[in-house]
Amino acid sequence: DGGITQSPKYLFRKEGQNVTLSCEQNLNHDAMYWYRQDPGQGLRLIYYSQIVNDFQKGDIAEGYSVSREKKESFPLTVTSAQKNPTAFYLCASSSFRLAENNEQFFGPGTRLTVL
Amino acid sequence: RKEVEQDPGPFNVPEGATVAFNCTYSNSASQSFFWYRQDCRKEPKLLMSVYSSGNEDGRFTAQLNRASQYISLLIRDSKLSDSATYLCVVNDLQGGSYIPTFGRGTSLIVHP
Repeated sequence: DGGITQSPKYLFRKEGQNVTLSCEQNLNHDAMYWYRQDPGQGLRLIYYSQIVNDFQKGDIAEGYSVSREKKESFPLTVTSAQKNPTAFYLCASSSFRLAENNEQFFGPGTRLTVL
Repeated sequence: RKEVEQDPGPFNVPEGATVAFNCTYSNSASQSFFWYRQDCRKEPKLLMSVYSSGNEDGRFTAQLNRASQYISLLIRDSKLSDSATYLCVVNDLQGGSYIPTFGRGTSLIVHP
């Protein structure tokens, strides 16, 4: 079955530690995205990538970093510079850059708690 | 700054009721529009795309009003299983790519 996987589902880290969240897709999608969701809030875009070896900052990129070395993979690193990292992190992908109705498919998410 | 606004609710309705949600967007050049459903502590899942002419999928009807810059979702004959948060999504064209902006979501609670 094609889809998007994120691991781990729950992650606990101590304040001041960097942590990397995994996102893998086997849908052959060009575009991948990282979002953050806080309780009672909508999804906010952290980073996105439309092609391998290229990525762009979203609305809240400060304190985060990404890489896109393979089409299938788009890991997100939450650095110690992120002031309030505890949140639900969602990875998504979509098939075409310029298709008008390129809906996104989401992974199951990672709940990060920084203690 | 792009804005997508939704009434957070909650909308509390009995089974069988008809309920409608609206979503307004600020960018008149927005390209495409969607409704997603998100269950508690789960990822969003596409409910339906919204086409200019309006579209229907079973009990769900979506409409787009470009002149007034809003989209709507109508749910007829509500089921208990419709209880969820409904997210409005607007795609804007930036640098040759479509970038989505999500509303905060509207919470629906369907009770017996």
